[in-house]
Amino acid sequence: DGGITQSPKYLFRKEGQNVTLSCEQNLNHDAMYWYRQDPGQGLRLIYYSQIVNDFQKGDIAEGYSVSREKKESFPLTVTSAQKNPTAFYLCASSRTGTTYYEQYFGPGTRLTVT
Amino acid sequence: AQKVTQAQTEISVVEKEDVTLDCVYETRDTTYYLFWYKQPPSGELVFLIRRNSFDEQNEISGRYSWNFQKSTSSFNFTITASQVVDSAVYFCALSEANTNAGKSTFGDGTTLTVKP
Repeated sequence: DGGITQSPKYLFRKEGQNVTLSCEQNLNHDAMYWYRQDPGQGLRLIYYSQIVNDFQKGDIAEGYSVSREKKESFPLTVTSAQKNPTAFYLCASSRTGTTYYEQYFGPGTRLTVT
Repeated sequence: AQKVTQAQTEISVVEKEDVTLDCVYETRDTTYYLFWYKQPPSGELVFLIRRNSFDEQNEISGRYSWNFQKSTSSFNFTITASQVVDSAVYFCALSEANTNAGKSTFGDGTTLTVKP
């Protein structure tokens, strides 16, 4: 079964700690994305990557970092510099090409920082 | 800059009613793509439809239909004979071909509640 895996589903951390959210896909997609969703709000783009070893900042990249060393993996680190890290984080992937394709989403990780 | 507006924050209907979710977009590009996604309570977004700016044909898929009108910059989504399983948050999204390559802008979503 092809899809996107995010782990863990729920994550709890103390303020001041960095935390890394995992995202793995076996859809053979070139592009991967990280979004943040707050209650009652839409998705805001944190980082995206169109190809291995390359990534771009999205609209709210401050306090976050990513890496793309493998096509299948796009981990997101929430650093202690992120002022309001408690949120629902969604990872997605899509094909790339001359058109724009739909994104496939993982189940999300709900991060709570206290 | 691209923008997507879903003015309806929450909609509540009774099962078997028809319901239309509105989506209005702004873009300066002549080539763009519009999407609808469904987010059930489990949290994972599910893709429903993609439409490019050159294809204004309406689409019907079972109980779902989409009305794309460039003249009003709208891409509305209608569910006919709604069911309790349709309860979810629905997002409209826009991708521009010539700018912000690879990025989608999402609306804030419409929460649909279908009561039995």
